[in-house]
This record gives sequence, structure tokens and C-alpha cells, in this order.
Amino acid sequence: GAVVSQHPSWVICKSGTSVKIECRSLDFQATTMFWYRQFPKQSLMLMATSNEGSKATYEQGVEKDKFLINHASLTLSTLTVTSAHPEDSSFYICSAKVYRGNSPLHFGNGTRLTVT
Amino acid sequence: QKEVEQNSGPLSVPEGAIASLNCTYSDRGSQSFFWYRQYSGKSPELIMFIYSNGDKEDGRFTAQLNKASQYVSLLIRDSQPSDSATYLCAVNKRDYKLSFGAGTTVTVRA
Repeated sequence: GAVVSQHPSWVICKSGTSVKIECRSLDFQATTMFWYRQFPKQSLMLMATSNEGSKATYEQGVEKDKFLINHASLTLSTLTVTSAHPEDSSFYICSAKVYRGNSPLHFGNGTRLTVT
Repeated sequence: QKEVEQNSGPLSVPEGAIASLNCTYSDRGSQSFFWYRQYSGKSPELIMFIYSNGDKEDGRFTAQLNKASQYVSLLIRDSQPSDSATYLCAVNKRDYKLSFGAGTTVTVRA
């Protein structure tokens, strides 16, 4: 149980274009999903918390107009990187909890974004 | 002070030995603690979670928690080459968001 599916697993795009990443909870409903970013040899950094039916909350330093998050249903959250630049190249990973509070996070397989 | 601190390693152990990983955290109000394993180029996968002081065993893995010392550890017994990975310590903050350490890279020598 607790399967989180993320798509695509990798994407290459040109500078200035936008990229959408989908995150789905397959066997549970997730009112909250979390988006992380990981640069090479660094740990995971929380970008934003995606809330079903309401606006996402962003961590300090993360541009909400650049990283658009939509959580339209209990099983789907999307992250759109708008006007991507090479410095946005990173490993983006979504995650969700089966239960609120202290329960563990379950991660999707991640999306490797390369902006040329 | 970082919220979650780990030794970056690398930690090299011979096959069959015990690997010991340590983690300290700064928020005394943290309630739950997790160990994730991350292979290169992959997303993290949950190995263990622990909520109460003491030891928790699951197969070859044992998590140890000492809230008074704000310390959590992971022991890997009978280490196998397939255990070679980066191990991330994660702590649930008061707002229930997970904060991750930088990870300890473990290499098991055959």
C-alpha cells in the first residue's frame, strides 16, 4: 500500500519553456502532498505543501509564481515549473502521507529535470 | 544550527559487519523520526520509523531514539552490498513537515 506515482521520470526542456510534473496517490487519498527538490549530493529541500482544494503553501525562498502547484483532487497534485532556466535543473520528488500528523512520508519515484 | 544533522560519511564497512548511523535534531518538540534509504538517482524509501524512546527492531535494522539527548540512530546488522546507499534521517517538526538531514553514505565492501 501507500503507492505514490510520479510522471514523467525524466524530462529535458529548453530554457524559457514550462514543464508539468504529475503526482498521484494510487491506493489512498492524500489531502496533502509535499514537493521536494534535491540537487546533486545534497539533501531534500521542501519546496511547498500542496493542499487539496486550496492554495499551496510555499517555503521561504521558493517563488510561487515560478513553481505553480495545483491539487485539484484527492489523488492528484501537479507542479509546473514555468519559464524554466538551467538553474532549475534538479531532481523533483513528490510525497504524501496516508494519515495526517506524525505518519511517514511516501515518495514518488521523482522527476529528473534538465533545462538546456 | 541545522534542524537535522548527520555525519556525511562515507561510512565503509565490510560485508557482514554492523553499520552504525547517527543523527541529532534541534527541535525538542519533535515527535516522530524516520530513516530513509536512497540509492543514487532514486527517490527515498522508508526503512524505519520510531516514535518512542528506546529501540525498535525490524529485520536487520534497529532504530534507537533518545529524546532527552535529541539523538536517533540506525544500526544495520549483517551488512550486505545491497545496503550501499545514502541513509537519510528525517524528523517530523511541530507543523508535521519532515525535515531531512544531509544523509550518510554507506558503502559495504564485499
